[in-house]
Amino acid sequence: DAKTTQPPSMDCAEGRAANLPCNHSTISGNEYVYWYRQIHSQGPQYIIHGLKNNETNEMASLIITEDRKSSTLILPHATLRDTAVYYCIVRRPSGSARQLTFGSGTQLTVLP
Amino acid sequence: DSGVTQTPKHLITATGQRVTLRCSPRSGDLSVYWYQQSLDQGLQFLIQYYNGEERAKGNILERFSAQQFPDLHSELNLSSLELGDSALYFCASSVEGLEGGPQDTQYFGPGTRLTVL
Repeated sequence: DAKTTQPPSMDCAEGRAANLPCNHSTISGNEYVYWYRQIHSQGPQYIIHGLKNNETNEMASLIITEDRKSSTLILPHATLRDTAVYYCIVRRPSGSARQLTFGSGTQLTVLP
Repeated sequence: DSGVTQTPKHLITATGQRVTLRCSPRSGDLSVYWYQQSLDQGLQFLIQYYNGEERAKGNILERFSAQQFPDLHSELNLSSLELGDSALYFCASSVEGLEGGPQDTQYFGPGTRLTVL
């Protein structure tokens, strides 16, 4: 799986958009970008994923650059409950083995 | 609530002992994954089962083993426990449909916190 690089920490004001960057410059054409978050020591929570196109769901938007070497997760209106570690994961399609490889992630702190 | 359940929530035991962690996947999910999260190693994949069969192995120690039963629940057995085995253990499940499709998403349980004294 391609390596990802994320800033170790970010702050965001409550109510503002949180934009979390991820660099995956060695990504292959068939590798997906997944985002998960982990609030304190709870189980990781799936947020969104994409291959080439931008994606949006009720939680967030995922913007993938045209060359696919980086992506940005956008939380449109951050709340205090969005404070968590956010993981950007690139996963290679590998048939039956579909485990996730977690990096260090970004600690997002939403400030009141 | 992801729909994945894990028991127990907390487990405290002594070195050299053996414990069993249990995971019930979401209804209909055939794949179960086990992950370990320790302070120094982060979240690491241990092992995957699909419909009762082992599919993939990660950094799982020989002292650890797992199985998935006909009702699709899974158990992770940890033996000859050492202090370094203290960690959070997460189970995740997925339907495992088309690669990258909505059924391919892994949903995590709340975890079991293991403390080895």
